[in-house]
Amino acid sequence: GESVGLHLPTLSVQEGDNSIINCAYSNSASDYFIWYKQESGKGPQFIIDIRSNMDKRQGQRVTVLLNKTVKHLSLQIAATQPGDSAVYFCAENGSGGSNYKLTFGKGTLLTVNP
Amino acid sequence: DTGVSQDPRHKITKRGQNVTFRCDPISEHNRLYWYRQTLGQGPEFLTYFQNEAQLEKSRLLSDRFSAERPKGSFSTLEIQRTEQGDSAMYLCASSSRGTSSGNTIYFGEGSWLTVV
Repeated sequence: GESVGLHLPTLSVQEGDNSIINCAYSNSASDYFIWYKQESGKGPQFIIDIRSNMDKRQGQRVTVLLNKTVKHLSLQIAATQPGDSAVYFCAENGSGGSNYKLTFGKGTLLTVNP
Repeated sequence: DTGVSQDPRHKITKRGQNVTFRCDPISEHNRLYWYRQTLGQGPEFLTYFQNEAQLEKSRLLSDRFSAERPKGSFSTLEIQRTEQGDSAMYLCASSSRGTSSGNTIYFGEGSWLTVV
């Protein structure tokens, strides 16, 4: 079936560096994408989202880029801090552009070294 | 705290016992979702309510699982005759409208179930 996946399972960066977490999706019907951060033992925390009619969206220290041509999504974190250490998931709104169901990838573990 | 609230946060039960989890969504969110997450995996969709109506159930939700949202506010997820394979974190989420409207789905902190 169609799914969302991540290129790298782990990413280790130095504090203060920029981090880039990548995600590939296969469902061309998806029109909404979200990045979540999940710390150990906690639920997923919303970071930033983007709709398919956009190719870039910025938040506080985070930027999401969407390349629909190659079905690729990335999350950029500027000036990464130790508190950013967590698992990051990208999610799409399901097969066929579901209005209510999210499909998650496996996640990327980001480790920030002081 | 006005986020999604789940109770209990942790539950250890013996195989064969029934367990029930409760979820209180963000106030005025009419859409409520249950997901399941196992170690090292992303959350998987289980079921979805719009107000009190349960509009979809995943094939992951066997007949031992039942979810309700009787008054369109809080929801319960019951697992009957638990099996060790049911051990997971059960996540509840809510939103005010559908994702195609760009509405964010917010998750609770989850309820950890361990079946021994």
